[in-house]
Amino acid sequence: QQQVKQSPQSLIVQKGGISIINCAYENTAFDYFPWYQQFPGKGPALLIAIRPDVSEKKEGRFTISFNKSAKQFSLHIMDSQPGDSATYFCAASMDTGRRALTFGSGTRLQVQP
Amino acid sequence: DTGVSQDPRHKITKRGQNVTFRCDPISEHNRLYWYRQTLGQGPEFLTYFQNEAQLEKSRLLSDRFSAERPKGSFSTLEIQRTEQGDSAMYLCASTSRGLNTEAFFGQGTRLTVV
Repeated sequence: QQQVKQSPQSLIVQKGGISIINCAYENTAFDYFPWYQQFPGKGPALLIAIRPDVSEKKEGRFTISFNKSAKQFSLHIMDSQPGDSATYFCAASMDTGRRALTFGSGTRLQVQP
Repeated sequence: DTGVSQDPRHKITKRGQNVTFRCDPISEHNRLYWYRQTLGQGPEFLTYFQNEAQLEKSRLLSDRFSAERPKGSFSTLEIQRTEQGDSAMYLCASTSRGLNTEAFFGQGTRLTVV
């Protein structure tokens, strides 16, 4: 199975709040889990990524939490800002073979001032 | 080198016409990927190249689609006899050698088939 399921589809958060986006995967061969941010009319850009040998990774206001046994991972955006308003995609890939990314369906985040 | 560039940014074509898109990856990147993104969905893998060799094609890539990467540099994606269902954003990405390296995406080509 190659599917990556993402929720919620959309999210509205007040400025300064915490945004949480969740993803679940099925293929246990996945070993790289990035999050991409996409603004309208632009291509996706890497935000932060994690490998399954760690349970959490933090970069600035962005944190990935990873639960290998549950096959789930999530993105937390602390102190959300209006500039964070964008669509966020989780993804997964394998170290072997084509290494292409399998994306979730995306979460449209709106941070209200 | 400022990143992955794609041309054109937008293309409107009539059903049945052929279209060709170009992608220029980051110069030192040996892997190049094509993805398709429809409205409200995440990008879906179409095909990829390692240097000039096309190593895999998705089942999404019908016989009307062909991709090339001559000399392992830029790549082209051609769609023959376009259909309305081909309307989408076509994204190109490139990665360098090594494991789990970041995929850099271009801004995409938005295709509209009327």
